Amino acid sequence: QSVLTQPPSASGTPGQRVTISCSGSSSNIGSNYVYWYQQLPGTTPKLLIYRNNQRPSGVPDRFSGSKSGTSASLAISGLRSEDEADYYCAAWDDSLSGWVFGGGTKLTVL
Amino acid sequence: QVQLQESGPGLVKPSQTLSLTCTVSGGSISSGDYYWSWIRQPPGKGLEWIGYIYYSGSTYYNPSLKSRVTISVDTSKNQFSLKLSSVTAADTAVYYCARVWYSSSWEIFDYWGQGTLITVSS
Repeated sequence: QSVLTQPPSASGTPGQRVTISCSGSSSNIGSNYVYWYQQLPGTTPKLLIYRNNQRPSGVPDRFSGSKSGTSASLAISGLRSEDEADYYCAAWDDSLSGWVFGGGTKLTVL
Repeated sequence: QVQLQESGPGLVKPSQTLSLTCTVSGGSISSGDYYWSWIRQPPGKGLEWIGYIYYSGSTYYNPSLKSRVTISVDTSKNQFSLKLSSVTAADTAVYYCARVWYSSSWEIFDYWGQGTLITVSS
């Protein structure tokens, strides 16, 4: 059971906008930055979003992050087949004094 | 380009100690801007942070694993290591080593090893 809660799956058709939620608590999302990682099939996780809503260079602006209270969301607009991957949220947890990840959301592009 | 590579036995017997080493190339493990981390991913499941170490030897562990985990660093070999004791089948996972780039504004897991599958079985 992960400390951060994500839906196990999400789906959309090409061109659509999808959102993936991440729910936590006051000790993690509520008081620290949220990060999002993308894991393409058979590869290692790659940073998509840092500090709640910042994109590293090279990440398309189709990807955006937001945070409100103890929840965060990743939005993907203009969905493409190559976006099919697992997506993980992560945050530092002050109570645990450690990093916590969500259980991951498998995105399927129909 | 920084590269990380895990090495160690792929099969560990129950109750024994899992030992892995991560060799870092393309950069110095003694750089002050980074932590060096272990993360694992059970088959078909999500990511779990195990812990990380600073080059000076300061460590931070996942509380749920803390009693069984030791992470150490060897700056002369540009390596860091993981030991997990008293393993059970629940410890079967792909184990990744990763670099954590930190500042006052962020901590980013920016480079990852390819991962190594560790199976706990008799």
